[in-house]
Amino acid sequence: EDQVTQSPEALRLQEGESSSLNCSYTVSGLRGLFWYRQDPGKGPEFLFTLYSAGEEKEKERLKATLTKKESFLHITAPKPEDSATYLCAVQGVTGGGNKLTFGTGTQLKVEL
Amino acid sequence: DAGVIQSPRHEVTEMGQEVTLRCKPISGHNSLFWYRQTMMRGLELLIYFNNNVPIDDSGMPEDRFSAKMPNASFSTLKIQPSEPRDSAVYFCASSSTGFGANVLTFGAGSRLTVL
Repeated sequence: EDQVTQSPEALRLQEGESSSLNCSYTVSGLRGLFWYRQDPGKGPEFLFTLYSAGEEKEKERLKATLTKKESFLHITAPKPEDSATYLCAVQGVTGGGNKLTFGTGTQLKVEL
Repeated sequence: DAGVIQSPRHEVTEMGQEVTLRCKPISGHNSLFWYRQTMMRGLELLIYFNNNVPIDDSGMPEDRFSAKMPNASFSTLKIQPSEPRDSAVYFCASSSTGFGANVLTFGAGSRLTVL
């Protein structure tokens, strides 16, 4: 069974204070690891897909990296608008289809 | 593209009543997913369909829950009878299938409160 664990559960940063969110996973054959952002009252919004260890992807102040056991979402010089819950999910090759198994998320608050 | 459309956005009902949630996936997507989100358990997959056929319903909590996809543009999730522990946000998502990993696009969710 695929499993995803995210840490920390919550993170409070000052504007400009860089940090990283962690996602540890176990999956029987990784098809892809996904990062989503979720704002209050909205559905998850896709950020990145990583496919293999060593891969990195960037979008504005966010950079996602992947190893064989975990992924990190690095946030550089965050702004208040980066406040959201960040969700990590894996898609495995077994079980068929494209289902995602999610972690419980990291709730990020960036303050002025 | 209007994205994944869910209705109703909010539903308040009393224990024992029937609840029906609706979803219109993105045109051209052939996979559809129903997830439930709670503070305690996060996002949990309830059921998913490929080409309108249910593939995995192992996440459906019990017989009170049922889901249908009569055609490629519509799906329903029904709870009968509803219970207070069913209170959660229910998300529908869709994707296309193909080689490699496929991105799921989520709707805005239906917030269900069972009193």
